[in-house]
Amino acid sequence: DIQMTQSPSSVSASVGDSVTITCRASQDISIWLAWYQQKPGKAPKLLIYAASALHTGVPSRFSGSGSGTDFTLAINGLQPEDFATYYCQQAHRFPLTFGGGTKVEIK
Amino acid sequence: EVQLVQSGAEVKKPGESLKISCEASGYRFSDYWIGWVRQMPGKGLEWMGIIYPGDSDTKYSPAFQGRVIISADKSINTVYVQWSRLKASDTATYFCASAPLGHCSGGLCYEIWGQGTTVTVS
Repeated sequence: DIQMTQSPSSVSASVGDSVTITCRASQDISIWLAWYQQKPGKAPKLLIYAASALHTGVPSRFSGSGSGTDFTLAINGLQPEDFATYYCQQAHRFPLTFGGGTKVEIK
Repeated sequence: EVQLVQSGAEVKKPGESLKISCEASGYRFSDYWIGWVRQMPGKGLEWMGIIYPGDSDTKYSPAFQGRVIISADKSINTVYVQWSRLKASDTATYFCASAPLGHCSGGLCYEIWGQGTTVTVS
């Protein structure tokens, strides 16, 4: 199985700050990476697919980059609704695997 | 509206069986993979497996192979995951998810999610 390692596991930030989350795959997954946002008690929501493509309706303050084994999710100008947990997921092959999650908390 | 609607919360005892459901609407059910994802209390997301309703081709994560069965009923646009003998460690919220909007081919990522079904085994 492909292992996905996310860091940090949590980050404290203020409204307006920029936050960067990294995700590393245990092997080359090309661009086949997705990012999700999950709020407590809710289902995850797709933010980014194919490493850098913004899903429909997702604000442009979210961006994704990377290829191979190293990927980044950036949030530029945090808004109150962005405080949530973020997960990466490799979309290269089955079994699909998720990173451990990064909780973005209010400072 | 494209959506997945899951069955309601369940409370079961260890050793009991269970089958939960996920009904799709607003798109061509047979043409898109539907997967299941587990989230144990306070923990992250774990991919369980996936089914292609068109021909019931199914793939499982090794961690869940033999523990659950994923099935589909095309006549009612519904997929299921079932357990024959529940354990306390099956306590979790289970999500179904799919990708009928065209951005994630082959069931490899998920554009739409069900609301989740909470299963408590105690």
